[in-house]
Amino acid sequence: DTGVSQDPRHKITKRGQNVTFRCDPISEHNRLYWYRQTLGQGPEFLTYFQNEAQLEKSRLLSDRFSAERPKGSFSTLEIQRTEQGDSAMYLCASSLGQVTGGTEAFFGQGTRLTVV
Amino acid sequence: DQQVKQNSPSLSVQEGRISILNCDYTNSMFDYFLWYKKYPAEGPTFLISISSIKDKNEDGRFTVFLNKSAKHLSLHIVPSQPGDSAVYFCAAPYSGGGADGLTFGKGTHLIIQP
Repeated sequence: DTGVSQDPRHKITKRGQNVTFRCDPISEHNRLYWYRQTLGQGPEFLTYFQNEAQLEKSRLLSDRFSAERPKGSFSTLEIQRTEQGDSAMYLCASSLGQVTGGTEAFFGQGTRLTVV
Repeated sequence: DQQVKQNSPSLSVQEGRISILNCDYTNSMFDYFLWYKKYPAEGPTFLISISSIKDKNEDGRFTVFLNKSAKHLSLHIVPSQPGDSAVYFCAAPYSGGGADGLTFGKGTHLIIQP
């Protein structure tokens, strides 16, 4: 399978715990994006990378959220001290060029986080 | 502030007929619009896009129309097929500081009735 891969698919955690999600983009894609989707809403843009450089992080929801892409390949999204409001689907996407210029973004299946 | 709005949460259409999904936007500086389709338990998949310099783009059964004066776009699916049942999202470039991301509407759940 050469699509965008996310792991895990589902995560249940207790409030206050830290969680980390992984995204493996399509191998030749240099851009990688993280989105969050809550029930009844469209995906909400969080952050993105071009290669290993994180070019936008002001949209990360709080300082509890951080993302890395250390070697310009896979990426991780970490949420520290999780809260019930963090329960959502976290989507990763990758692309060969600027999605704002019309380049297609390919999404993974997402990681569904439930904070109890 | 929702810059891309889809005001119909759901739409039911008979198989073989035309499906029309609508989207309104507030930012006249958007230069690209995209439609994504999402099946349950899957990520969104790209369907079709349109540049703001055009008023129509067609790809097989799918056509997107753009009316800039009304800040409105629509996706037409003709003829509608059962496999078209999905949630459809309208999207535009996120307009914060030049970041390369998309802002999405809330989606319209299209149900194709046999």
